[in-house]
Amino acid sequence: GAVVSQHPSRVICKSGTSVKIECRSLDFQATTMFWYRQFPKQSLMLMATSNEGSKATYEQGVEKDKFLINHASLTLSTLTVTSAHPEDSSFYICSALNMNSPLHFGNGTRLTVT
Amino acid sequence: QKEVEQNSGPLSVPEGAIASLNCTYSDRGSQSFFWYRQYSGKSPELIMSIYSNGDKEDGRFTAQLNKASQYVSLLIRDSQPSDSATYLCAVSFSGGGADGLTFGKGTHLIIQP
Repeated sequence: GAVVSQHPSRVICKSGTSVKIECRSLDFQATTMFWYRQFPKQSLMLMATSNEGSKATYEQGVEKDKFLINHASLTLSTLTVTSAHPEDSSFYICSALNMNSPLHFGNGTRLTVT
Repeated sequence: QKEVEQNSGPLSVPEGAIASLNCTYSDRGSQSFFWYRQYSGKSPELIMSIYSNGDKEDGRFTAQLNKASQYVSLLIRDSQPSDSATYLCAVSFSGGGADGLTFGKGTHLIIQP
C-alpha cells in the first residue's frame, strides 16, 4: 500500500521554459503532499507543503511564484517550475501523507535545464 | 532551526558484519524518527520508523531511539553488498510526519564483499 507515482522521471528543458511535475497517490487519498528538492551529494530539502483545496505552504527561501503548486484533488499535486534556469536543475521528489503509515516517496524527477 | 546530523562517511563494513549508523537531532520536541535508504539517482525508500525510546527490530534492521540524548541509530546485521547505499535519518515534530520531514545529509555505507 501507500504507493506514490511521480511523472515524468526525467526531463530536459531549455532555460526560460516551464516544466510541470505530477505526483499522484495511487491507492489512498492524500490531503497533504510534500515537495522536496535534492542537489547532488546533498540531503533532501523540503520546499513546500501542498494541501488539497488550499494554498501551499512554502519553506523559507523558496519562491512561491517560481515553484507553483496545485493540489486540485485528493490524489494529485503538481509542481510547475516556471522560467527554469540551469540552477534549478535538481532531483525533485514528492511524498504523500497517508494517515495510516509513514511518508512514502515518489520515484523522483530529474530536471536538467540547459 | 531543526537540524539532523549524520556522519557523511563513507562507512566501510565487511560483508556479514554489523553496520552501525548514527544520527542526532536538535529539536527536543521531535516525535517521529525514520531511516530511509537511498541508492544513487533513486528516491528514498523507508527502512524503519520508531516513535518511542528503546529498540525496534525488523529482520536484519534494528532502530534505537534515545530521546533524552536526542540520538537515533540504525543497526544492520549480517550486512550484504546490496545494503551499500546512502542512509538518511529523518525526523518529524509531529507523529507520522504530518508536518514534513527534516533530513540529515545521509551516511554513505559501503559493504565490502
